[in-house]
Amino acid sequence: KQEVTQIPAALSVPEGENLVLNCSFTDSAIYNLQWFRQDPGKGLTSLLLIQSSQREQTSGRLNASLDKSSGRSTLYIAASQPGDSATYLCAVRKGGGADGLTFGKGTHLIIQP
Amino acid sequence: DAGITQSPRYKITETGRQVTLMCHQTWSHSYMFWYRQDLGHGLRLIYYSAAADITDKGEVPDGYVVSRSKTENFPLTLESATRSQTSVYFCASRPGLASYNEQFFGPGTRLTVL
Repeated sequence: KQEVTQIPAALSVPEGENLVLNCSFTDSAIYNLQWFRQDPGKGLTSLLLIQSSQREQTSGRLNASLDKSSGRSTLYIAASQPGDSATYLCAVRKGGGADGLTFGKGTHLIIQP
Repeated sequence: DAGITQSPRYKITETGRQVTLMCHQTWSHSYMFWYRQDLGHGLRLIYYSAAADITDKGEVPDGYVVSRSKTENFPLTLESATRSQTSVYFCASRPGLASYNEQFFGPGTRLTVL
């Protein structure tokens, strides 16, 4: 059974810092990996999707990398801002048909002004 | 473009009652999903659907029933609600099978079972 772990569970940093969120998964046979952002009381917003054949994806100040063989992904946030405060979730898809996502428990991020 | 909508957004019910959570998407995505989110467990898949009239169980299907008579709707029914089903429920959709297809989520329904 696929298990997804996110470290750290919580992180608080001053505004302007660059930071890295980590995600690991136990079964490397994944189809893709998706990073989401969740604000309190809200749904999930997709940030980046990395296909299993890719090494990284970038969107603005966000960069996600994938090392499928070692079962790891990182989300790099550059020049953090208070508006980046949220919970960040990593999820993997095993592939094939109508399969869902397996989620980590998230990293709760606070950016101090 | 409304995307995915869920109703109701908040629901309080009593143990033993039947409850139906609605999910509607405007994108004509083939795949739809139901997840529940609980402290300590994260998000877990309840049921999914590949197309109208095609559904299958996820990780935690017990106590839930789904149907999909139309592509755009995917209701989730709790046949006899229990306190352990108190949770936040998220509906999601995905366009197709391809590895570049993202999954998109609705705003969630917070359900409390007393």
